[in-house]
Amino acid sequence: DQQVKQNSPSLSVQEGRISILNCDYTNSMFDYFLWYKKYPAEGPTFLISISSIKDKNEDGRFTVFLNKSAKHLSLHIVPSQPGDSAVYFCAAVAGGFKTIFGAGTRLFVKA
Amino acid sequence: DVKVTQSSRYLVKRTGEKVFLECVQDMDHENMFWYRQDPGLGLRLIYFSYDVKMKEKGDIPEGYSVSREKKERFSLILESASTNQTSMYLCASSLWVAGGRNTIYFGEGSWLTVV
Repeated sequence: DQQVKQNSPSLSVQEGRISILNCDYTNSMFDYFLWYKKYPAEGPTFLISISSIKDKNEDGRFTVFLNKSAKHLSLHIVPSQPGDSAVYFCAAVAGGFKTIFGAGTRLFVKA
Repeated sequence: DVKVTQSSRYLVKRTGEKVFLECVQDMDHENMFWYRQDPGLGLRLIYFSYDVKMKEKGDIPEGYSVSREKKERFSLILESASTNQTSMYLCASSLWVAGGRNTIYFGEGSWLTVV
């Protein structure tokens, strides 16, 4: 049973436009959420996080939104750049130790 | 910068072999993790450890064991490798933070092919 779901396996966006990556979760005990970016043949790198007490966190071109009532979070990238092309993983933490990841969304940013 | 180092980037092993994947972190993190990444399945947690000599099963521990004899080192062991264990293996570590706001940091991954 997938507790963290990324229902879109891929997304294609034009350079300069907004990329929106979505993530849904089922466990209401999750209290911390993260996004990771992964290039081929490399390990994932941390991008941005949000605590369950917030509904928005922004870092440069990246903003994460959390809707607790809907158990939904999203990552917005504005403006999108070709170097943003990668696989993005949504992750959630419950109890401080165990981090559960979604299946990932592959983002293509076209020049 | 956090550094998580996996000793082998690419390995090819035979079915039935015992395989060791080694991981070292240099940030004095309490928590260490082993994940595997497979297409369409994302990152699945195999085992994690929150202290020396402590280990907890993740979501897919079958066919694997781990060892944490020193704080900085976490080893993944495939007792008898099988072809369905062909995958990318990712080691990670995190600091224990009150309130559970752990950010985990990954190594570069080890590509294991079992033939």
